[in-house]
Amino acid sequence: SQQGEEDPQALSIQEGENATMNCSYKTSINNLQWYRQNSGRGLVHLILIRSNEREKHSGRLRVTLDTSKKSSSLLITASRAADTASYFCATDGGAARQLTFGSGTQLTVLP
Amino acid sequence: KAGVTQTPRYLIKTRGQQVTLSCSPISGHRSVSWYQQTPGQGLQFLFEYFSETQRNKGNFPGRFSGRQFSNSRSEMNVSTLELGDSALYLCASSLGTGAGQPQHFGDGTRLSIL
Repeated sequence: SQQGEEDPQALSIQEGENATMNCSYKTSINNLQWYRQNSGRGLVHLILIRSNEREKHSGRLRVTLDTSKKSSSLLITASRAADTASYFCATDGGAARQLTFGSGTQLTVLP
Repeated sequence: KAGVTQTPRYLIKTRGQQVTLSCSPISGHRSVSWYQQTPGQGLQFLFEYFSETQRNKGNFPGRFSGRQFSNSRSEMNVSTLELGDSALYLCASSLGTGAGQPQHFGDGTRLSIL
Protein backbone atom coordinates (compact mmCIF):
# COMPACT_ATOMS: atom_id res chain seq x y z
CA SER A 1 0.00 0.00 0.00
CA GLN A 2 1.16 3.56 -0.61
CA GLN A 3 1.42 5.86 2.36
CA GLY A 4 2.53 8.94 0.52
CA GLU A 5 0.63 10.84 -2.11
CA GLU A 6 2.44 13.32 -4.31
CA ASP A 7 0.86 16.43 -5.67
CA PRO A 8 0.65 17.32 -8.47
CA GLN A 9 0.70 14.03 -10.41
CA ALA A 10 2.29 15.84 -13.34
CA LEU A 11 4.07 19.17 -13.67
CA SER A 12 5.38 20.88 -16.79
CA ILE A 13 7.62 23.96 -16.56
CA GLN A 14 10.13 25.92 -18.60
CA GLU A 15 13.86 25.60 -18.08
CA GLY A 16 15.07 28.04 -15.46
CA GLU A 17 11.81 28.03 -13.50
CA ASN A 18 11.41 26.51 -10.06
CA ALA A 19 9.50 23.26 -9.52
CA THR A 20 7.67 22.42 -6.32
CA MET A 21 6.30 18.99 -5.51
CA ASN A 22 4.35 18.05 -2.42
CA CYS A 23 4.01 14.82 -0.51
CA SER A 24 1.43 13.94 2.12
CA TYR A 25 1.53 10.86 4.31
CA LYS A 26 -0.74 9.20 6.83
CA THR A 27 1.15 7.87 9.83
CA SER A 28 3.96 9.19 12.00
CA ILE A 29 7.43 8.81 10.52
CA ASN A 30 11.06 8.55 11.53
CA ASN A 31 12.31 10.07 8.31
CA LEU A 32 11.25 10.97 4.79
CA GLN A 33 13.29 10.53 1.65
CA TRP A 34 12.99 11.87 -1.89
CA TYR A 35 14.02 9.90 -4.96
CA ARG A 36 14.23 10.62 -8.68
CA GLN A 37 13.55 8.08 -11.42
CA ASN A 38 14.41 8.64 -15.05
CA SER A 39 12.37 6.72 -17.58
CA GLY A 40 13.32 3.04 -17.65
CA ARG A 41 15.92 3.40 -14.91
CA GLY A 42 16.18 2.75 -11.21
CA LEU A 43 15.58 5.30 -8.48
CA VAL A 44 18.26 7.72 -7.37
CA HIS A 45 18.33 8.93 -3.77
CA LEU A 46 18.16 12.73 -3.52
CA ILE A 47 17.79 13.68 0.11
CA LEU A 48 16.76 12.32 3.51
CA ILE A 49 15.12 14.49 6.17
CA ARG A 50 14.55 13.25 9.71
CA SER A 51 11.36 13.84 11.66
CA ASN A 52 13.08 16.36 13.96
CA GLU A 53 14.29 18.46 11.02
CA ARG A 54 12.21 21.12 9.29
CA GLU A 55 14.29 21.99 6.27
CA LYS A 56 17.24 20.59 4.37
CA HIS A 57 19.22 21.76 1.35
CA SER A 58 21.33 19.92 -1.20
CA GLY A 59 22.57 21.90 -4.19
CA ARG A 60 19.49 23.11 -6.09
CA LEU A 61 17.18 21.01 -3.90
CA ARG A 62 15.31 22.25 -0.86
CA VAL A 63 13.13 19.92 1.20
CA THR A 64 10.77 20.94 3.97
CA LEU A 65 8.96 18.73 6.43
CA ASP A 66 5.91 19.60 8.49
CA THR A 67 5.13 16.67 10.78
CA SER A 68 2.06 18.40 12.22
CA LYS A 69 0.51 18.46 8.76
CA LYS A 70 2.12 15.17 7.73
CA SER A 71 3.50 16.77 4.59
CA SER A 72 6.76 17.50 2.82
CA SER A 73 7.73 19.55 -0.20
CA LEU A 74 10.60 19.29 -2.66
CA LEU A 75 11.72 22.46 -4.40
CA ILE A 76 14.04 22.29 -7.40
CA THR A 77 15.40 25.72 -8.25
CA ALA A 78 16.56 26.88 -11.69
CA SER A 79 15.35 23.67 -13.31
CA ARG A 80 17.12 22.11 -16.28
CA ALA A 81 15.91 19.77 -19.02
CA ALA A 82 17.95 17.03 -17.33
CA ASP A 83 15.67 17.33 -14.27
CA THR A 84 12.87 15.75 -16.31
CA ALA A 85 11.97 12.62 -14.34
CA SER A 86 9.50 11.16 -11.86
CA TYR A 87 9.98 12.20 -8.25
CA PHE A 88 8.90 10.04 -5.33
CA CYS A 89 8.71 10.58 -1.61
CA ALA A 90 9.24 7.60 0.67
CA THR A 91 8.52 7.30 4.36
CA ASP A 92 9.85 5.14 7.14
CA GLY A 93 6.92 5.13 9.49
CA GLY A 94 7.20 4.34 13.18
CA ALA A 95 8.10 0.73 13.82
CA ALA A 96 7.96 -0.06 10.13
CA ARG A 97 11.25 -1.33 8.84
CA GLN A 98 10.40 -0.75 5.22
CA LEU A 99 10.18 2.24 2.91
CA THR A 100 6.71 3.10 1.66
CA PHE A 101 6.69 5.10 -1.57
CA GLY A 102 4.22 7.65 -2.80
CA SER A 103 2.64 7.64 -6.22
CA GLY A 104 5.12 10.10 -7.71
CA THR A 105 5.14 13.40 -9.60
CA GLN A 106 6.11 13.37 -13.27
CA LEU A 107 8.16 16.52 -13.90
CA THR A 108 8.79 17.72 -17.43
CA VAL A 109 11.21 20.61 -17.95
CA LEU A 110 10.89 22.15 -21.39
CA PRO A 111 14.03 23.62 -22.99
CA LYS B 1 32.62 1.96 -6.88
CA ALA B 2 30.27 -0.13 -9.01
CA GLY B 3 26.56 0.40 -8.50
CA VAL B 4 23.82 -2.12 -7.93
CA THR B 5 23.66 -4.62 -10.76
CA GLN B 6 20.51 -6.48 -11.71
CA THR B 7 20.32 -9.30 -14.23
CA PRO B 8 18.73 -9.90 -16.57
CA ARG B 9 17.44 -6.47 -17.68
CA TYR B 10 14.54 -7.93 -19.63
CA LEU B 11 12.69 -11.21 -19.34
CA ILE B 12 9.66 -12.69 -21.08
CA LYS B 13 7.87 -15.65 -19.52
CA THR B 14 4.52 -17.37 -19.88
CA ARG B 15 1.88 -18.00 -17.23
CA GLY B 16 2.68 -20.86 -14.89
CA GLN B 17 6.44 -20.65 -15.33
CA GLN B 18 8.84 -19.58 -12.64
CA VAL B 19 11.60 -16.98 -12.76
CA THR B 20 14.72 -16.06 -10.81
CA LEU B 21 16.09 -12.53 -10.74
CA SER B 22 19.54 -11.62 -9.51
CA CYS B 23 20.92 -8.59 -7.70
CA SER B 24 24.52 -7.70 -6.82
CA PRO B 25 24.67 -4.89 -4.25
CA ILE B 26 27.26 -2.17 -3.91
CA SER B 27 30.44 -3.56 -2.39
CA GLY B 28 30.23 -3.38 1.40
CA HIS B 29 26.44 -3.08 1.50
CA ARG B 30 24.85 -5.86 3.52
CA SER B 31 21.18 -5.02 3.09
CA VAL B 32 19.26 -5.83 -0.09
CA SER B 33 15.62 -4.91 -0.60
CA TRP B 34 13.32 -5.81 -3.47
CA TYR B 35 10.46 -3.74 -4.89
CA GLN B 36 7.81 -4.28 -7.52
CA GLN B 37 6.83 -1.31 -9.68
CA THR B 38 3.68 -1.29 -11.79
CA PRO B 39 1.67 1.58 -13.34
CA GLY B 40 -1.38 0.66 -11.27
CA GLN B 41 0.09 -0.09 -7.83
CA GLY B 42 3.26 1.98 -7.99
CA LEU B 43 6.29 0.94 -5.97
CA GLN B 44 5.61 -1.83 -3.50
CA PHE B 45 8.03 -3.38 -1.03
CA LEU B 46 8.60 -7.12 -1.40
CA PHE B 47 11.24 -8.03 1.20
CA GLU B 48 14.56 -7.11 2.74
CA TYR B 49 17.55 -9.33 3.45
CA PHE B 50 20.43 -8.52 5.76
CA SER B 51 23.29 -10.89 6.53
CA GLU B 52 21.48 -13.74 4.74
CA THR B 53 18.35 -13.32 6.89
CA GLN B 54 14.99 -12.00 5.77
CA ARG B 55 14.38 -8.99 8.03
CA ASN B 56 11.12 -7.70 6.65
CA LYS B 57 8.44 -8.80 4.23
CA GLY B 58 5.77 -6.93 2.31
CA ASN B 59 2.25 -8.03 1.55
CA PHE B 60 2.86 -10.41 -1.33
CA PRO B 61 1.79 -14.05 -1.75
CA GLY B 62 4.15 -16.91 -0.96
CA ARG B 63 4.89 -17.33 -4.67
CA PHE B 64 7.37 -14.50 -4.17
CA SER B 65 10.48 -15.58 -2.31
CA GLY B 66 14.07 -14.56 -2.03
CA ARG B 67 17.40 -15.33 -0.51
CA GLN B 68 20.74 -13.72 0.16
CA PHE B 69 24.14 -15.29 -0.11
CA SER B 70 27.19 -14.81 2.10
CA ASN B 71 28.63 -12.26 -0.37
CA SER B 72 25.40 -10.23 -0.01
CA ARG B 73 24.22 -11.02 -3.53
CA SER B 74 20.50 -11.71 -3.59
CA GLU B 75 18.05 -13.59 -5.75
CA MET B 76 14.32 -13.27 -6.00
CA ASN B 77 12.12 -16.09 -7.24
CA VAL B 78 8.54 -15.96 -8.45
CA SER B 79 6.76 -19.26 -9.03
CA THR B 80 3.57 -20.02 -10.96
CA LEU B 81 3.71 -16.72 -12.81
CA GLU B 82 0.50 -14.77 -13.38
CA LEU B 83 -0.24 -12.02 -15.88
CA GLY B 84 -0.36 -9.53 -13.00
CA ASP B 85 3.27 -10.25 -12.16
CA SER B 86 4.34 -8.23 -15.19
CA ALA B 87 6.32 -5.39 -13.67
CA LEU B 88 9.66 -3.71 -13.18
CA TYR B 89 11.43 -5.45 -10.30
CA LEU B 90 13.90 -3.21 -8.53
CA CYS B 91 16.62 -4.16 -6.12
CA ALA B 92 18.17 -1.69 -3.69
CA SER B 93 21.12 -1.99 -1.36
CA SER B 94 22.15 -0.06 1.72
CA LEU B 95 24.87 -0.22 4.34
CA GLY B 96 22.61 -1.17 7.19
CA THR B 97 19.20 -2.68 7.68
CA GLY B 98 15.96 -0.80 8.12
CA ALA B 99 14.40 2.00 6.16
CA GLY B 100 16.35 4.85 7.77
CA GLN B 101 19.14 4.52 5.24
CA PRO B 102 19.38 5.89 1.70
CA GLN B 103 18.66 3.09 -0.73
CA HIS B 104 20.81 2.61 -3.83
CA PHE B 105 18.80 1.14 -6.67
CA GLY B 106 19.69 -0.93 -9.68
CA ASP B 107 18.03 -0.30 -13.04
CA GLY B 108 15.68 -3.22 -12.55
CA THR B 109 14.52 -6.29 -14.39
CA ARG B 110 11.55 -5.74 -16.69
CA LEU B 111 9.44 -8.93 -16.48
CA SER B 112 6.71 -9.49 -19.03
CA ILE B 113 4.26 -12.37 -18.68
CA LEU B 114 2.49 -13.59 -21.81
